[in-house]
Order: sequence, then C-alpha cells, then structure tokens
Amino acid sequence: QKEVEQNSGPLSVPEGAIASLNCTYSDRVSQSFFWYRQYSGKSPELIMSIYSNGDKEDGRFTAQLNKASQYVSLLIRDSQPSDSATYLCAVKDVRNQAGTALIFGKGTTLSVSS
Amino acid sequence: EAGVTQFPSHSVIEKGQTVTLRCDPISGHDNLYWYRRVMGKEIKFLLHFVKESKQDESGMPNNRFLAERTGGTYSTLKVQPAELEDSGVYFCASSQDRAAGNTIYFGEGSWLTVV
Repeated sequence: QKEVEQNSGPLSVPEGAIASLNCTYSDRVSQSFFWYRQYSGKSPELIMSIYSNGDKEDGRFTAQLNKASQYVSLLIRDSQPSDSATYLCAVKDVRNQAGTALIFGKGTTLSVSS
Repeated sequence: EAGVTQFPSHSVIEKGQTVTLRCDPISGHDNLYWYRRVMGKEIKFLLHFVKESKQDESGMPNNRFLAERTGGTYSTLKVQPAELEDSGVYFCASSQDRAAGNTIYFGEGSWLTVV
C-alpha cells in the first residue's frame, strides 16, 4: 500500500531553535519528494523539493533524503514564530497512470514560541 | 500574477443535493489537478487534466463526481448527489508542465460540508 507517514505533532520548539520534521514513505521506487507548508485555511505552498540522496539547502531550510531507509526530513534552522504551520510531506506517485499525482502525508503541525 | 482561485470558498448543502466547485488555474498552466482532504485524513489525488483532456482520473471516488475542463481553461467539479462522506476540503492545483520537479501551485480550497 502506498503511504507517506508523518508524526502529526504538534512539534513545539522555541524561537531560534532547529525544528526537525520527519517523513517515511513505503514505495521503494519513489524518486521525487516535496515539502509543503500550509498555514491554517490557506493553500499548501511548496518550500522544498529533493530528488537525490543527501542534503539540499535553501536558506534556513534543509531537506534530507535517504532512499535506502525510505525517509525524508526537513530541518528549519533559527525557527521563527512565522514558521508555525502544518508541514506536509509529499511523494510523487510513480506507479500512478500519468506519473504526476502526489501522495501526501497527514502533515506535522509545528509551533514556534517566542 | 493571480494564483489558483477556487469558488466557492465554503459551501454547506444537504445530503442528496448537487454542488459544483470551480477552479481557475494560473494563466498559461496546461496542467490542472483536483485533490481532496476529508476530516482527519491526508490530501488525496482525484484527477489531472492536461488542457481539456482528462489525463488521469484514477483518484475519483465514484461516479457521483464529475470533473470538466471545457476549453482547457477553468475546471468544475460537480458532486451529484452529495453524501455525508463527501465533506472535506477540495483543492485545485495547476502547473506549467508535468516534468519531475515542476512546481504545482495549490488554491486555498473549497470547503464542502454535507449535512
């Protein structure tokens, strides 16, 4: 069964700390991985994509991928209260007919306290 | 540039009624997707249009759901007749092309409550 698993949280961190969000996926042939941020009542917004094993950094965000262990993580350095949101892990469904559908996890709620 | 817009933002209907949700993708985006999130569950794929053609509708739950994209611009998703389990948030998304890594932009969703 195709699944993307995330801890629902809430994950609470103080301002300035590193927030670590984790995600595991079940389909070994998956190749494309995404992190979306969603503020309450708003649209999911893509913040990171990663396709190769290792780390990918973009500003305060670092995505980490380990295909052998089937996990992908998102690190947020110097967390700010404005980072408080739900973070959705998504994997491109390669077995899907057109190969374009995303499989989402339920999301992890992050709360950054000032 | 306008993002993906959806209408209505909220809708409350009775079981057995019909509801039509509309999505206007970002101008120039040939790819349009519908996703749904029901209470307590993850966001799930419903279908994908490329221009006016249904590329993939493997996620549509049953034949009470009908999606159209006449002319390859905006899209509608009709639920007829609505059931209680159809309640949730319906997201529309669009992208310029479907290559890996292509950014998919989501709308804010249409919240549907069936009572």
